[in-house]
Amino acid sequence: DGGITQSPKYLFRKEGQNVTLSCEQNLNHDAMYWYRQDPGQGLRLIYYSQIVNDFQKGDIAEGYSVSREKKESFPLTVTSAQKNPTAFYLCASSIGQVGEQFFGPGTRLTVL
Amino acid sequence: DQQVKQNSPSLSVQEGRISILNCDYTNSMFDYFLWYKKYPAEGPTFLISISSIKDKNEDGRFTVFLNKSAKHLSLHIVPSQPGDSAVYFCAASDGTGGFKTIFGAGTRLFVKA
Repeated sequence: DGGITQSPKYLFRKEGQNVTLSCEQNLNHDAMYWYRQDPGQGLRLIYYSQIVNDFQKGDIAEGYSVSREKKESFPLTVTSAQKNPTAFYLCASSIGQVGEQFFGPGTRLTVL
Repeated sequence: DQQVKQNSPSLSVQEGRISILNCDYTNSMFDYFLWYKKYPAEGPTFLISISSIKDKNEDGRFTVFLNKSAKHLSLHIVPSQPGDSAVYFCAASDGTGGFKTIFGAGTRLFVKA
């Protein structure tokens, strides 16, 4: 049963703490993405990776970091430098450059 | 600067009638357009797409129309069903420019029984 999993579904952290969001896919997709969704806004691209050991900044990369050590995994770390980290975070993957992306269920991060 | 705009935050339609969701874009380099559907607390799921070489693509109850000269696309759902109630995102990408897909802010569709 192929798909993308994100964990946890809800996450609470204190201000000033780093937190890592998990994203795993078993679709054998080369490309993976992290988006952030805020109320009334579309999905904004944080980082994307075209291939293992390579990743590129998206439109709002400041305060975030990623790694892509395995094809299946693309974890996102929200650092203390991110000024407004409370949001809904979505991970996605795709076969290639153009075409549909497959999304995980999302993680809602709340920083207290 | 929003390159993909969905100007209607919400739309309410009676069951059985047609739903028309609109999307405008500003970047003439976009050549591939997608619609995604999203239920609350879930990730978006792909619905239908269209390449810039076409002006219409149909899949069951869903049809996407593309007007390149107006930089406008629309999603038609007919007949609308209560299960279609969700947020619909329009998205666009430049096939020559890498992996970036730009999403609109979404339109929340309510289909009343």
